Amino acid sequence: QITLKESGPTLVKPTQTLTLTCTFSGFSLSSSGVGVGWIRQAPGKALEGLALIYWDDDKRYSPSLKSRLTITKDTSRSQVVLTMTNMDPVDTATYYCAHSSVWLFSFDYWGQGTLVTVSS
Amino acid sequence: DIQMTQSPSTLSASVGDRVTVTCRASQSISSWLAWYQQKPGKAPKLLIYKASSLESGVPSRFSGSGSGAEFTLTISSLQPDDFATYYCQHYNTYPSFGQGTKLELK
Repeated sequence: QITLKESGPTLVKPTQTLTLTCTFSGFSLSSSGVGVGWIRQAPGKALEGLALIYWDDDKRYSPSLKSRLTITKDTSRSQVVLTMTNMDPVDTATYYCAHSSVWLFSFDYWGQGTLVTVSS
Repeated sequence: DIQMTQSPSTLSASVGDRVTVTCRASQSISSWLAWYQQKPGKAPKLLIYKASSLESGVPSRFSGSGSGAEFTLTISSLQPDDFATYYCQHYNTYPSFGQGTKLELK
């Protein structure tokens, strides 16, 4: 079955760079049509799509955060990495990774999420 | 950039009620719309994709409709487990979500 799990620091300081890793199983990111995305949710707020990477290395970013985000994949390790630069307290949120595809354009399997707090 | 607007932001209802949540796009998005259910402290769960396709394992009391710029999620008969927050999501150049509708017990 498909599973995803996020890992990374729980606490980062303002101006630092956040690096989150999504490790998945049950599918391959080299299979045609498959994608993995990152979504975050600040406490008490709505979901916010951040970035998405596809099997062919096509990458999509939120326009408002594009200058700060980089998404990459390591197919051999079944991992997707998201980096976000210049972290600010407003970036405090639960960060999720999720499985997608070009046939659904939605997220059918989600990780449990990881809470990242930005504070000095 | 396409904006997604959900209404209402909060909906009070009782077990057995039929409820509808609406999602409007700032421009036509064909049928590329999904609906999710989220409970506190949990990851969202996909309910509907491509506007009206029911995700496997989701109860048939959930249904989606619409195309173009207006979409609805309907729960035909509310069950106690359905009280949660619901989000619509569109994919254009990147995935974007509505602001959510909290369904609470009246």
